[in-house]
Amino acid sequence: DAGITQSPRYKITETGRQVTLMCHQTWSHSYMFWYRQDLGHGLRLIYYSAAADITDKGEVPDGYVVSRSKTENFPLTLESATRSQTSVYFCASSEGLYRGYTFGSGTRLTVV
Amino acid sequence: AQKVTQAQTEISVVEKEDVTLDCVYETRDTTYYLFWYKQPPSGELVFLIRRNSFDEQNEISGRYSWNFQKSTSSFNFTITASQVVDSAVYFCALRSNDYKLSFGAGTTVTVRA
Repeated sequence: DAGITQSPRYKITETGRQVTLMCHQTWSHSYMFWYRQDLGHGLRLIYYSAAADITDKGEVPDGYVVSRSKTENFPLTLESATRSQTSVYFCASSEGLYRGYTFGSGTRLTVV
Repeated sequence: AQKVTQAQTEISVVEKEDVTLDCVYETRDTTYYLFWYKQPPSGELVFLIRRNSFDEQNEISGRYSWNFQKSTSSFNFTITASQVVDSAVYFCALRSNDYKLSFGAGTTVTVRA
């Protein structure tokens, strides 16, 4: 099915481990984004990408790494997970600068 | 820098009452877009409406309506005759001359039967 999919939906990991959250979209949208959602903070931008091989930091990038070797994939890696990175992570894509976003279903990550 | 403020953290109403959600934004850009998203208890983010900065016409779509006023930098959203299924967190968001969508903190709406 066309759309934007995130995997896994739920993940529990231990402090210090590396974990990668996957995001895949089937529309060939140029722009892709990673947000985290925490109570009281709304959604905050972690990283974004305007095209393959073009990425840039958002509001809260520390501790995260992204790559975009293919237009359709935009994985988010936590290099050494910390408890403060326990959150719900949303991936989104957008067709263009003046278009809305379409969000994935989210990944609930718990760092213990 | 751009900023979106949703001063109401929670609103509780009885079914069939109208609900108005406030949103105030800050941006230095002259061209920008404003959005409302809904996040039901299932957790997904659902796009509701979009308004661009050069179109202040207010519209009604079914039970939803919005009031965009550039003079006060406000983009309020109203649900008419609320239903239990409207219970959700509602986010106002702003996007200007870059790719980034800035969200408010969200307003939790609870509609009681």
